[in-house]
Amino acid sequence: QSVLAQPPSVSGAPGQRVTISCTGSRSNIGAGYDVHWYQQFPGTAPKLLIYGNSNRPSGVPDRFSGSKSGTSASLAITGLQAEDEADYYCQTYDSSLSVHVVFGGGTKLTVL
Amino acid sequence: QVQLQESGPGLVKPSETLSLTCTVSGDSISSYYWGWIRQPPGKGLEWIGYMYYSGSANYNPSLKSRATISVDTSKKQFSLKLSSVTAADTALYYCARQGAYGVDVWGQGTTVTVSS
Repeated sequence: QSVLAQPPSVSGAPGQRVTISCTGSRSNIGAGYDVHWYQQFPGTAPKLLIYGNSNRPSGVPDRFSGSKSGTSASLAITGLQAEDEADYYCQTYDSSLSVHVVFGGGTKLTVL
Repeated sequence: QVQLQESGPGLVKPSETLSLTCTVSGDSISSYYWGWIRQPPGKGLEWIGYMYYSGSANYNPSLKSRATISVDTSKKQFSLKLSSVTAADTALYYCARQGAYGVDVWGQGTTVTVSS
């Protein structure tokens, strides 16, 4: 069971807006650590999608946005496209034992 | 553009040590943290650990000290050793560059199966 909780799956029709939540605790997201998001297509390595809670690397469309509040973070995708169908993971740091990297369990996005 | 390439045996026997190497090309290995992340078949990502090029390291506590990462700056390589492997260690292993802004460079991944 992951330290960061994500819904196993979300879905939306083309053009719609979907959000993926990432729920943590006071030892990780709530401790002030930045949250990063990754996109992974089947058979390929993950790709950094959002860094530092809400920043997009060069080349990532502005349809993707991130936010963080309290012990949770969210990834929002607007104007959903078929090519967005992928797995999405959140990642931050946890200080419950020693400071270490933690990933969410991942969310499968299906474009209907 | 930085590229990472994993190499190592695809099959390891139970109780033995898994050894993987990642070769860095396109940039210096100095600066940044270099680490390993794995993904069991059909499952999510699990962070194994990372090491700064100068030698300080940090590991996933759940691996109970079985993991060791080392860096060879002269060869522009870093390596993972995971001891006492079991079938639960069967996974796709990624090497990666990790900075303050997340894991921004990933290798293509190498599959390791633990089986006798």
